[in-house]
Amino acid sequence: AQSVTQLDSHVSVSEGTPVLLRCNYSSSYSPSLFWYVQHPNKGLQLLLKYTSAATLVKGINGFEAEFKKSETSFHLTKPSAHMSDAAEYFCVVSDPSGSGNTGKLIFGQGTTLQVKP
Amino acid sequence: DGGITQSPKYLFRKEGQNVTLSCEQNLNHDAMYWYRQDPGQGLRLIYYSQIVNDFQKGDIAEGYSVSREKKESFPLTVTSAQKNPTAFYLCASSKPVGVATYEQYFGPGTRLTVT
Repeated sequence: AQSVTQLDSHVSVSEGTPVLLRCNYSSSYSPSLFWYVQHPNKGLQLLLKYTSAATLVKGINGFEAEFKKSETSFHLTKPSAHMSDAAEYFCVVSDPSGSGNTGKLIFGQGTTLQVKP
Repeated sequence: DGGITQSPKYLFRKEGQNVTLSCEQNLNHDAMYWYRQDPGQGLRLIYYSQIVNDFQKGDIAEGYSVSREKKESFPLTVTSAQKNPTAFYLCASSKPVGVATYEQYFGPGTRLTVT
């Protein structure tokens, strides 16, 4: 069965320093992977997605992620954090073989990103 | 503007009462979903619907019910049988972005408090 593990529940960085949010996945097939961001009391917004094309994926707001099949990882990075990046981030996997083509997604537990001035 | 609307943003109910949460989308998406979010637990799937007049239970359907009479609408009823209904509820719809791969779009959520 497919699953996703976010390795840090909380990450704290200073403004202007790099951001790294770690995500490992487990999938019996070739997965599609997503990163979503959620600001307090808001819905989720798609940051970027990997769907078996280029392994380095660029998203909105300067974020990017690299799909590494050998490491079963899909870590999210940003070169320089901004105060507005403070939010909850979710790594998500969609496994066609497991979901039966229903569009169901499996969510990680989330990582809270704190950005200090 | 296309999108998903959920109303109300905040909802308060007394224990023992049923309550219905609204979800409407004008994205022309076939599939819609309801999630529950609790602190530190990520999102858990309650119900989903791939087409009008059809829906399936998700991972935590007990104490909830849904209907899908129109493509645009997927209301969720939290019944009195739901033991811990206080939570943040998120509605989503999806479109295909590849072979058997779907991208989900989320509404702003409804925070339900039951006392």
